[in-house]
Amino acid sequence: KQEVTQIPAALSVPEGENLVLNCSFTDSAIYNLQWFRQDPGKGLTSLLLIQSSQREQTSGRLNASLDKSSGRSTLYIAASQPGDSATYLCAVRPGILYSGGGADGLTFGKGTHLIIQP
Amino acid sequence: NAGVTQTPKFQVLKTGQSMTLQCAQDMNHEYMSWYRQDPGMGLRLIHYSVGAGITDQGEVPNGYNVSRSTTEDFPLRLLSAAPSQTSVYFCASSRQGYSYGYTFGSGTRLTVV
Repeated sequence: KQEVTQIPAALSVPEGENLVLNCSFTDSAIYNLQWFRQDPGKGLTSLLLIQSSQREQTSGRLNASLDKSSGRSTLYIAASQPGDSATYLCAVRPGILYSGGGADGLTFGKGTHLIIQP
Repeated sequence: NAGVTQTPKFQVLKTGQSMTLQCAQDMNHEYMSWYRQDPGMGLRLIHYSVGAGITDQGEVPNGYNVSRSTTEDFPLRLLSAAPSQTSVYFCASSRQGYSYGYTFGSGTRLTVV
């Protein structure tokens, strides 16, 4: 059974700092990995997706890396801002997927609750 | 706007009542799934579908039924609601392919009293 762990569970830092959020997973046979953002009482917004064959993806101040063999991903946030305050979720998709069949659905970590102090 | 639409947004049920949470997507996605989110437990997969007519169980399927008669719709049925099913429910959809991720609906907040 796939298990996803996110460290730290919570983080509070002053604005302007560069941050690293960690995600680890136990089964390296993944299809892809997604990082999401969730604001309080809201839905999930996809930030970055890394395919199983990729090493990293970048979007603006966000950079996500993937080391599938060691079961690790990191989300790097550069020059943090108060608007970055949210819960960040890591999720993996199983590697058993084919047209019209296979296992699917995401396995999530419990998230990192991030507060950026003005 | 294209996306995943969930209805209702809020619902209060009495123990033993049944109801259906609706989920519809207009992106012609093959894959759809349902999750529940509980404090301290994170998001957990309830059921998923890899195409019309094909569904399977996730991590926490007990007490829930699904069907997928069309590509667009994937309703979640609570047969006899229990207080333990109080949660926020999310539906999501995706295309097949390594470069595609899941798009989530805005959620249904369900309280069972």
